[in-house]
Parts: sequence; C-alpha cells; structure tokens
Amino acid sequence: SQTIHQWPATLVQPVGSPLSLECTVEGTSNPNLYWYRQAAGRGLQLLFYSVGIGQISSEVPQNLSASRPQDRQFILSSKKLLLSDSGFYLCAWTRDFYEQFFGPGTRLTVL
Amino acid sequence: KQEVTQIPAALSVPEGENLVLNCSFTDSAIYNLQWFRQDPGKGLTSLLLIQSSQREQTSGRLNASLDKSSGRSTLYIAASQPGDSATYLCAVSLGGNNRLAFGKGNQVVVIP
Repeated sequence: SQTIHQWPATLVQPVGSPLSLECTVEGTSNPNLYWYRQAAGRGLQLLFYSVGIGQISSEVPQNLSASRPQDRQFILSSKKLLLSDSGFYLCAWTRDFYEQFFGPGTRLTVL
Repeated sequence: KQEVTQIPAALSVPEGENLVLNCSFTDSAIYNLQWFRQDPGKGLTSLLLIQSSQREQTSGRLNASLDKSSGRSTLYIAASQPGDSATYLCAVSLGGNNRLAFGKGNQVVVIP
C-alpha cells in the first residue's frame, strides 16, 4: 500500500529565516506530486506540482520554491520567510486522473 | 478560472439525521470531482472520487452525485453520527496533471 510522509509536523520560524519542508511517498512510482497551502480562513491553494524528477510547475507567484530531486521526494523551500508564509502545508500525490492522497501536513508559524 | 463554492459553510445536525452538503463549480470542463474529510489540524482523507463520466459514487453511508452540466455535486451522509463531525471539502480536477481546485469546506457538527 502507498503512504505519504511529511516532516516536520510543526515548525516555528522567525521572519527572514530559510525553510525546507520534505514530503516522501512510498509504495508507488512516477507519481504526480503537489504542494498545497491552507491559510486561516482560506481554502486550499495549489502552490506547485511535479510530474517527474526535476519538473516543477508553479501555480502562484510567491516567496517559495519547490524541487523534486528523486522520484518520490518533493521539497518546499524558501530563502527568507515572510509572515504571510504561515499556514498549513499539505503534500499530495496521484497517478493520472485518479484519487489524490494527502499527507498529514506541516503547520508553519512565522513570527 | 475555476471557482468552487460550498454551501453552507457550517451546519449542526442532531445525531441520526441525514446530512446534505452542496458543492458548485463554475467551469463544467472537469476530469473528476473528489470529496474529502478534514479533522482539525489533520491532513485530508479522501472519501469519494467521481469521474466526469459518472453520475454518482457510493461508499457505505456516503453517496455523492455529480451533475457536470449544471456544475453541481452533492454529498449525502446517511444517519449521521458524532464521529462524522469534521470539515468536508469538495475539489474539482482542473484537467492537466490532475491539479485540484478546492472549495472552502462545509464544517459539520453532529450533536449527540
């Protein structure tokens, strides 16, 4: 069976500090991978998606970047965090046009 | 731009009543529609996936219908239980690479 992991689970960072969130998927190959953000009072917003190693598409211009160094690894990064980067970050995977499965999320608070 | 709306934003029902949650979307050119459940502080759990060629899907007490032409989906939860209390999210696939557009959710409280 497939599982998806995210870490860390929670993170408190000062404004201007760097960020690295990691997502890994087990039990599948060549998945599509996604990063979403859920901010207070707002719906889930798609940030990035990837259809293969090194292939990243950005949905929203922002202070964040993503990378996919391995088939089942997806990383979300920032060089300098802003207050507005606070939120709940969710990683997801899917194959083709079937169900999308989500990880447990990372709660990021920028102070 | 695809917009997804879920009404009502929040509702409370007594235990045993049937739940009806509505989702509407502005662009009918979708590949699929997915309903999720989210508990506070947790990730999303997939409940049902309806492909664009399907009219409904059922799983246990859950039934979801899809009317693509009118841009609507409804999630029915029969005989609600306190454990059904959660936020329910509707998402439509934007096509290429199965990107999802989400509604803001229906926050449900089932009162024992």
